[in-house]
Amino acid sequence: DAGVIQSPRHEVTEMGQEVTLRCKPISGHDYLFWYRQTMMRGLELLIYFNNNVPIDDSGMPEDRFSAKMPNASFSTLKIQPSEPRDSAVYFCASSLGPGEAFFGQGTRLTVV
Amino acid sequence: EDKVVQSPLSLVVHEGDTVTLNCSYEVTNFRSLLWYKQEKKAPTFLFMLTSSGIEKKSGRLSSILDKKELSSILNITATQTGDSAIYLCAVEPGNNRKLIWGLGTSLAVNP
Repeated sequence: DAGVIQSPRHEVTEMGQEVTLRCKPISGHDYLFWYRQTMMRGLELLIYFNNNVPIDDSGMPEDRFSAKMPNASFSTLKIQPSEPRDSAVYFCASSLGPGEAFFGQGTRLTVV
Repeated sequence: EDKVVQSPLSLVVHEGDTVTLNCSYEVTNFRSLLWYKQEKKAPTFLFMLTSSGIEKKSGRLSSILDKKELSSILNITATQTGDSAIYLCAVEPGNNRKLIWGLGTSLAVNP
C-alpha cells in the first residue's frame, strides 16, 4: 500500500477563497483523522470518522470548516471562507482500530 | 481538562549521548500512550504503551510507562544525527479515539 495520500501538498490561497483538502486512507483502515498542526498549538485533532461516519467533530474550529467521507477510500476537509489564521499544516491519518495511526505527508496551507 | 505535557521543549546533544524525554498526562479513563517521531514531514509511529505493555524497546530506543506517576519516558542511547527530530507523545482515552497530543520535544543531535 502507498500509505495515506493527501493532496495537494501545498496550497496558497487568498483570504475568502474556498479550500478543499483531500485524503485517501490506507485500504482496510476503518478510522480516519484530520489534524491541524501549528507551532503554537501543536497537533490538534479536528474530526475523526469510523467506517465513514463522523464520530467526533468537537475539534473543528468554526462553521467555516467541514469534512466529509463519502466512501471508505476518500475524505475531504473544506474551509469556506478561508482566513489567514487557518494557515497551518493539515494532516490526514488512518488506523485499523485503536493504537497506531499512519499519517499522510500533510498539506501546507497558506492563506494570504 | 485532559492534557499531555512534554519536557524538555528542546534539547541539543552530541552524537553518542543518551537522552531521556518525558511525557506526563492527565486523562480520564486512560487506554494507551503513544510515541511518534516527526522529522520534516509526517509523524511516524514509534511505540504504544498500555496497562498490559508498560515497556517497549526497539534498537537504541526504549520507552516505559509509569501509570502510578501518570508519565512515560522515551530513552535514546548512543544518539545519532539521524535521531534529530521532534518527538511527540499522545494519550488515547478509553472512551474514544480522540488522541490528546503534547507539543513535542525538539531534539537536535550534533556531530
